[in-house]
Amino acid sequence: NAGVTQTPKFRILKIGQSMTLQCTQDMNHNYMYWYRQDPGMGLKLIYYSVGAGITDKGEVPNGYNVSRSTTEDFPLRLELAAPSQTSVYFCASRDSLNQPQHFGDGTRLSIL
Amino acid sequence: KNEVEQSPQNLTAQEGEFITINCSYSVGISALHWLQQHPGGGIVSLFMLSSGKKKHGRLIATINIQEKHSSLHITASHPRDSAVYICAAASRGGSQGNLIFGKGTKLSVKP
Repeated sequence: NAGVTQTPKFRILKIGQSMTLQCTQDMNHNYMYWYRQDPGMGLKLIYYSVGAGITDKGEVPNGYNVSRSTTEDFPLRLELAAPSQTSVYFCASRDSLNQPQHFGDGTRLSIL
Repeated sequence: KNEVEQSPQNLTAQEGEFITINCSYSVGISALHWLQQHPGGGIVSLFMLSSGKKKHGRLIATINIQEKHSSLHITASHPRDSAVYICAAASRGGSQGNLIFGKGTKLSVKP
């Protein structure tokens, strides 16, 4: 099993551009999460999903959108990139609430 | 005040030392997680516990529910233990077991 795979690993965007961060997992997990990690801060939840077709906002959802059309994929979309969205983004999944989360390797995003 | 506080923020130890990292939380929890973030950035789950103590190799995690406190211990530390250790609380009142993360403790073990 590959686990949780995120692409790309690094990306530089210009202000106002859009992009999609990809996340896929091959463990058939229902729960999936998107976090951002800023220097000196704890991870913050952006969006989460409890299963295909179901998504909900986390603590910091503004400026982002998600979809969950399949169990495997949970892409994160930035529509109008802003410098405040410069961060490291992590995707995670878990089988159930009684299990730990499995994390991807992260995407380092810079917006200039 | 953050809902999950870790101490210390930074810790330098000599190889072989016994290490303790502390985590205090202010919310009612269903579980407490300890995570390790490697220097390359990847995050791995170490422990998930709701009571008592868990041990895996040289790592031990304990939790005191009444005092809202958890500790992560590393015995016989080694330079390969150098990483950021993150405590996260699954709030009992939170939706879908979502986690509240501490800011992490950066551990450096010198040979």
